[in-house]
Amino acid sequence: EVQLVESGGGLVQPGRSLRLSCTASGFTFGDYAMSWFRQAPGKGLEWVGFIRSKAYGGTTEYAASVKGRFTISRDDSKSIAYLQMNSLKTEDTAVYYCTRDPINGSGSYIPDYWGQGTLVTVSS
Amino acid sequence: DIVMTQTPLSSPVTLGQPASISCRSSQSLVHSDGNTYLSWLQQRPGQPPRLLIYKISNRFSGVPDRFSGSGAGTDFTLKISRVEAEDVGVYYCMQATQFPRTFGPGTKVDIK
Repeated sequence: EVQLVESGGGLVQPGRSLRLSCTASGFTFGDYAMSWFRQAPGKGLEWVGFIRSKAYGGTTEYAASVKGRFTISRDDSKSIAYLQMNSLKTEDTAVYYCTRDPINGSGSYIPDYWGQGTLVTVSS
Repeated sequence: DIVMTQTPLSSPVTLGQPASISCRSSQSLVHSDGNTYLSWLQQRPGQPPRLLIYKISNRFSGVPDRFSGSGAGTDFTLKISRVEAEDVGVYYCMQATQFPRTFGPGTKVDIK
């Protein structure tokens, strides 16, 4: 059974940093790309970023709203994807979800399984 | 960025009756590989999103066959043939054809 468990959320002051983890089980983690999404309270879904598998270079993509502040990485030996969030702003307050992203066809990735999410609150 | 729109934003439905949600993209979602990466997600109250449909019309594992997707290019539709109580929630369309991935605003489905 595929499981994704996010952790590391909490209350943090503006300008500070936080690192989220997404621990995966039930599949061969290293074979998959992973994504992070977020959902502000009472709002819709927003894509945050993405990391390819090592077989495809392990490269990353980011939303404009977080580029330069957030970094996604992965540790395939531990089956964990990370979201390092620096210079946090109040508008980063949201539930953060990770997803598994199998490659499809020859070009794109489709997020299929979602974790339960972890809440990040940025406030003084 | 590709802008996704959905109609209606709210859909009160009667149990056992059909429901339909439309999604439109600001540009074609056809990828260079010939596939169209349009997905539908369901988010029940207090729950994370769940993938229902991918590549326009493919039901994900475990999704009941009362859910179906159709469309092409820039216009897509999610249909629920007979709404059940467990279908209450918000439905989002999402494009994964190009980065950044973008979502529609969501359609809230509830029971009349």
